[in-house]
Amino acid sequence: QKEVEQDPGPLSVPEGAIVSLNCTYSNSAFQYFMWYRQYSRKGPELLMYTYSSGNKEDGRFTAQVDKSSKYISLFIRDSQPSDSATYLCAMTSSSNFGNEKLTFGTGTRLTIIP
Amino acid sequence: DVKVTQSSRYLVKRTGEKVFLECVQDMDHENMFWYRQDPGLGLRLIYFSYDVKMKEKGDIPEGYSVSREKKERFSLILESASTNQTSMYLCASSTQNQPQHFGDGTRLSIL
Repeated sequence: QKEVEQDPGPLSVPEGAIVSLNCTYSNSAFQYFMWYRQYSRKGPELLMYTYSSGNKEDGRFTAQVDKSSKYISLFIRDSQPSDSATYLCAMTSSSNFGNEKLTFGTGTRLTIIP
Repeated sequence: DVKVTQSSRYLVKRTGEKVFLECVQDMDHENMFWYRQDPGLGLRLIYFSYDVKMKEKGDIPEGYSVSREKKERFSLILESASTNQTSMYLCASSTQNQPQHFGDGTRLSIL
């Protein structure tokens, strides 16, 4: 069993819809959680990162962590065609997370249909 | 903004060649990382470095080596390229309490 599981999709939704992307994990020591967006033929771009449980909002994006369920989510409101990309979750157990290796999900491919 | 630059976007090499992939970051980050990304397998860590001349093995170091002679530059070396090393290679850098920032990758094909 992988430490981090992420549905690879593909996920297709109409423009303007709310998108929910999710990861589950097995290591209860994980406490820092990141979401990256990767466009085709580009490197991953950091969207958001959160610590422990709770929500964090940045514009149309909301990251949610439920440590009791070992489940994290990224919500995209008012989705746009420019949101079409692969979304990767990543996590680590270290409070000094810049210095530590990350464990990544395999990514969910999202397409927003105009 | 952090900028991580990988020297080549696309590279084609032959089996048995020694291959160098270069990565430069401009934010004075201590930490640098090399990953490979394959469909269905996600990102897998090859090597990382916390400081100049320091290196640590990641999850899949076999067949690779690295060099970090200067803080801003981290090189990945394929000692004798094989077809199973055909992949997308991604470099990242970070500093304490800041997540990793990635370059745009090098798509390497070994024929």
